Amino acid sequence: ETGVTQTPRHLVMGMTNKKSLKCEQHLGHNAMYWYKQSAKKPLELMFVYNFKEQTENNSVPSRFSPECPNSSHLFLHLHTLQPEDSALYLCASSQGTGGSQPQHFGDGTRLSIL
Amino acid sequence: EDQVTQSPEALRLQEGESSSLNCSYTVSGLRGLFWYRQDPGKGPEFLFTLYSAGEEKEKERLKATLTKKESFLHITAPKPEDSATYLCAVQAPPGAGSYQLTFGKGTKLSVIP
Repeated sequence: ETGVTQTPRHLVMGMTNKKSLKCEQHLGHNAMYWYKQSAKKPLELMFVYNFKEQTENNSVPSRFSPECPNSSHLFLHLHTLQPEDSALYLCASSQGTGGSQPQHFGDGTRLSIL
Repeated sequence: EDQVTQSPEALRLQEGESSSLNCSYTVSGLRGLFWYRQDPGKGPEFLFTLYSAGEEKEKERLKATLTKKESFLHITAPKPEDSATYLCAVQAPPGAGSYQLTFGKGTKLSVIP
């Protein structure tokens, strides 16, 4: 496989469930990102990892918990979510976070909270 | 606060009718301006990076230009397959930490046969 792969593509969960989103990149990049995309709003950066170390956490609620076991894999653990958390969650990767390296995105997980 | 504004929000063109999308930005110390294309149900697909005023990049029917305050994405003789949402993002060095992208809301382009 090539590029950035996200699973699952669709997820429906109740407010009390626990689930995880997975992202894998096959580009040899060392930085990975989680974004939230809601209708009529710009992409919102949630977390940044560079060489497995978290470098940014944009005031994201603790019900979202990221994990980056290595430079190729990124997870987003979800628990006790709210209806307003329904959105498209996008993973991206880049060759480092410094300079002007373009980020390459996966196709996202469409999350619906009941 | 860094801001990115894209206009128009939506644009309908007849096939072959050339036009431009605008991305205006206010950012200190621009490191790069990025254009992406996003199809429904897909993630953004990288198109171009522009680094300095006066720079231009081309790809098929698309041409991106950059000034000190805005960027244009010119679409020449568009085809229906060019229909998508086009996103603009800017990268500027923060006070500390990694470099972040600030995205606009996008322009939804529809090309009618």
